[in-house]
Amino acid sequence: EVHLVESGGDLVQPGGSLRLSCAASGFTFSGYAMNWVRQAPGKGLEWISYISTSGDTLYYGDSVRGRFTISRDNAKNSLYLQMNSLRAEDTAVYYCARGSGGYCNGGTCYPPRYDHWGQGTLVTVSS
Amino acid sequence: DIQLTQSPPFLSASVGDRVTITCRASQGISSDLVWYQQKPGEAPNLLIYGASTLQSGVPSRFSGSGSGTEFTLTISSLQPEDFATYYCQQLNSFPRSFGQGTKLEIK
Repeated sequence: EVHLVESGGDLVQPGGSLRLSCAASGFTFSGYAMNWVRQAPGKGLEWISYISTSGDTLYYGDSVRGRFTISRDNAKNSLYLQMNSLRAEDTAVYYCARGSGGYCNGGTCYPPRYDHWGQGTLVTVSS
Repeated sequence: DIQLTQSPPFLSASVGDRVTITCRASQGISSDLVWYQQKPGEAPNLLIYGASTLQSGVPSRFSGSGSGTEFTLTISSLQPEDFATYYCQQLNSFPRSFGQGTKLEIK
């Protein structure tokens, strides 16, 4: 069974740093792209970052680019999000999500989707 | 960047009703659209991908349609467990984007 477990959320002061982790199990972690999505209290979902299977392709949302860094360790089945220069508006529950599909093989195309999500970890940025 | 506009933002309905939620993209995204259901305090749950493919384990009362810029999620006969917030997401290009959500409430 696929499991994604986030950790590292905490209360941090504005300008501070935090590193989130997402531990994966139940699937071949190195075979899947991964993503971070966040949700501010009472608000909608916001995609923030993507990392390819090997970690050589990265994308970020405008709100976090230059401050956050996504990475992965396939040997440890783990995904990370290094968060620097934190702001009050970064306060949110942070989810890791597995990306599936998005390719064609042998004439069959597999549409992209985020098919498994962790339970989330809360980051609060406040003085 | 691709913007997704969901409507309506709030929907009040009764058990047994048929409801439809619309998601419009600011530019064409082929069929690279997914729908999620989220209940309070829980992570999103994938319902539909590829605009119309039902995720394994999702009840058949959920269906999706559309391509290009206009998409719909339909629940054919609402059940008590369906009252939740629904989000669309485009996976056609980066940055990925979500609709603002539709909160489905009991009338």
